[in-house]
Amino acid sequence: DIVLTQSPDSLAVSLGERATINCRSTHDLFPGSNNKNYVAWYKHKPGQPPQLLIYWASTRESGVPDRFHGSGSGTDFTLTITSVQAEDVALYYCQQYYFIPYTFGQGTRVEI
Amino acid sequence: QMQLLEAGPGLVKPSETLSLTCSVSGGAISSASYYWGWIRQPPGKGLEWIAAMSYSGDTFHNPSLRSRVTISVDTSRGQFSLQLTSVTASDTAFYYCVRHRSGSVDSWGQGTLVTVTA
Repeated sequence: DIVLTQSPDSLAVSLGERATINCRSTHDLFPGSNNKNYVAWYKHKPGQPPQLLIYWASTRESGVPDRFHGSGSGTDFTLTITSVQAEDVALYYCQQYYFIPYTFGQGTRVEI
Repeated sequence: QMQLLEAGPGLVKPSETLSLTCSVSGGAISSASYYWGWIRQPPGKGLEWIAAMSYSGDTFHNPSLRSRVTISVDTSRGQFSLQLTSVTASDTAFYYCVRHRSGSVDSWGQGTLVTVTA
């Protein structure tokens, strides 16, 4: 299985500061055939289902605030929250969907 | 707006079969653009992808669970289902029904906690 390792495990930031979460894959997630990286990012708050933020590594899902940015290629990916708001306190997961079984990172907790 | 709703027993005895159904509303289940699947999360742990299926029957399984998992789609009812046989305590988890769009998950059910206990 593809292993995704997120860093850090938890992150404390002040309101308005930047938060950066990394996700490293054991396998290349950019096959090259369609110029896409098969990585998604999710936000998960207690008592709610996860919410899709980013897909294809850098495409923001409809309705997601533009302070959320995805970047990276191949085996290294990053989710950046440019100006953290109170409602961004949550667990964040990366996911690869190039190889079966789809797998997730272990999660990064963002706190204020 | 797409809505998914899981239904099924919250308690299952060891060695028995876990059965869950997901009702889809706000969109067509018989769309070639999506796959329908299940993801679980043991309390306090990470997310584990179980399986997914297209309305036409293409199916993908997590090899670690494949021998115990059956997933099916009923387009006439707008539902899809999960069966997990021979459950043990390690199958205790929140089970989410999901819609896959090119592999990412753009819609999630609220999740249902299934506890395996005698």
